[in-house]
Amino acid sequence: DAKTTQPTSMDCAEGRAANLPCNHSTISGNEYVYWYRQIHSQGPQYIIHGLKNNETNEMASLIITEDRKSSTLILPHATLRDTAVYYCIVSPGNTPLVFGKGTRLSVIA
Amino acid sequence: DADVTQTPRNRITKTGKRIMLECSQTKGHDRMYWYRQDPGLGLRLIYYSFDVKDINKGEISDGYSVSRQAQAKFSLSLESAIPNQTALYFCATSDFTGQGGGGSYNEQFFGPGTRLTVL
Repeated sequence: DAKTTQPTSMDCAEGRAANLPCNHSTISGNEYVYWYRQIHSQGPQYIIHGLKNNETNEMASLIITEDRKSSTLILPHATLRDTAVYYCIVSPGNTPLVFGKGTRLSVIA
Repeated sequence: DADVTQTPRNRITKTGKRIMLECSQTKGHDRMYWYRQDPGLGLRLIYYSFDVKDINKGEISDGYSVSRQAQAKFSLSLESAIPNQTALYFCATSDFTGQGGGGSYNEQFFGPGTRLTVL
C-alpha cells in the first residue's frame, strides 16, 4: 500500500519553481522520503531522498516538515523537460519501494 | 539508465505462450526487482531478489516466476501468458547503502522497460 497522498496533477509555468506536495502522516521513524519521476513511459528516475533534514542536489530540493508528516519537492526553475509523473515514496531502507499513482506535473511554456 | 538493460524492449505474443523477459545490470548491485505498470497506474512489485540465493514474492506474483542466474541477471517468466498481463515491465537494481547516523537507504535504478502485449 502506498503510504503517501499526492495531488493527481499540477501545472507550472516554465522558468518558475514547481512545488510538489506530499502527505505521509503515518511515516515511521526509520522511513525515508524518496522522490522519483517518470517521463513518458521511461523507467522511473531517482531525484532525491531525505530522512529528517532538508536536502538539496543538482536536480531539486526536498523540504520535510519538522513532524515529518509531509514534504515538498521543489524544482527551482522548471523546464519543459521536467514534465513527468512525480512519485513520493516513504520506505525503510531495507525494503523495495512501493509506488503510488504520483502527481502528473505539466510544465507550460 | 544504460547500466540496466532489458530484453526484449517490445514483445507481442498470444495467450498461452511462455514468455521470458530478461534483465542485466553492470552496476554490481546485489538487489534486483521486477515491476509492472498498467496505464495510468503506478508501478507494482512482482518479485525481488536481495542476492543470488534469495527470491521474494511481491504484491502481484501470481502467474509469474523468476530466476536469478547470477548477480547481474534476473529473469521474469510468464509460464502461460494471458491478456491481462499486457503491461509495461520494469527491472530495477539497488545497492543497500549505509548512511551515517540514519541507517540505510535504498536508491533503485530502473531499466528502460519492456512493453508486453498478450493477444
